[in-house]
Amino acid sequence: DIQMTQSPPSLSASLGETVSIECRASEDIYSNLAWYQQKSGKSPQLLIYYASSLQDGVPSRFSGSGSGTQYSLKISGMQPEDEGVYYCLQGSKYPLTFGSGTKLEIK
Amino acid sequence: QVTLKESGPGMLQPSKTLSLTCSFSGFSLSTSGMVVSWIRQPSGKSLEWLAAIDWDGDKYYNPSLKSRLTVSKDTSNTQVFLKITSVDIADTATYYCARSTIAVFAYWGQGTLVTVSS
Repeated sequence: DIQMTQSPPSLSASLGETVSIECRASEDIYSNLAWYQQKSGKSPQLLIYYASSLQDGVPSRFSGSGSGTQYSLKISGMQPEDEGVYYCLQGSKYPLTFGSGTKLEIK
Repeated sequence: QVTLKESGPGMLQPSKTLSLTCSFSGFSLSTSGMVVSWIRQPSGKSLEWLAAIDWDGDKYYNPSLKSRLTVSKDTSNTQVFLKITSVDIADTATYYCARSTIAVFAYWGQGTLVTVSS
């Protein structure tokens, strides 16, 4: 199985601050990496797919980058509605595997 | 409009078989490239992909649970089912179904909470 190591486990940011979340895969996943946001009691919502493609309707302050085994999600200008837990998911090979999550809070 | 909705027993006893249904609309699972997966999430923990079935009827399972899982679909391609045998307390979780194309889950159901307890 491909292991996804996500960091940091938690993050606290001020309004307007830029934050980054990282995911490292245990092998090359050829940009088959998606990022999801989950708010309390809700289903995960797709933010980014294929490492850097922004899902329709997602604010442009969200961006993704990376290749090979290293990927990151950046939020340029933290907003109150960005609080939640963020997960990466590799879609390169079954079984699909998620990162352990990053809890993002407003400072 | 794509929608998915999970249904299940809510609560069941250890050692029983868990049966879940994902009812969906807005797409057909017979369309090339369509896949429906089951994913679960214990309270306060991360997500775990369990199984998937694609438009061609091919099935994929998480090896860690494979011997206990069976995924299937109905002939009208509007429902997908998951059975988990011999459940125990560790199977307590919210279970989601999600539609993907090439492993990108753009559509998720609301989830159904399953509690395993004696």
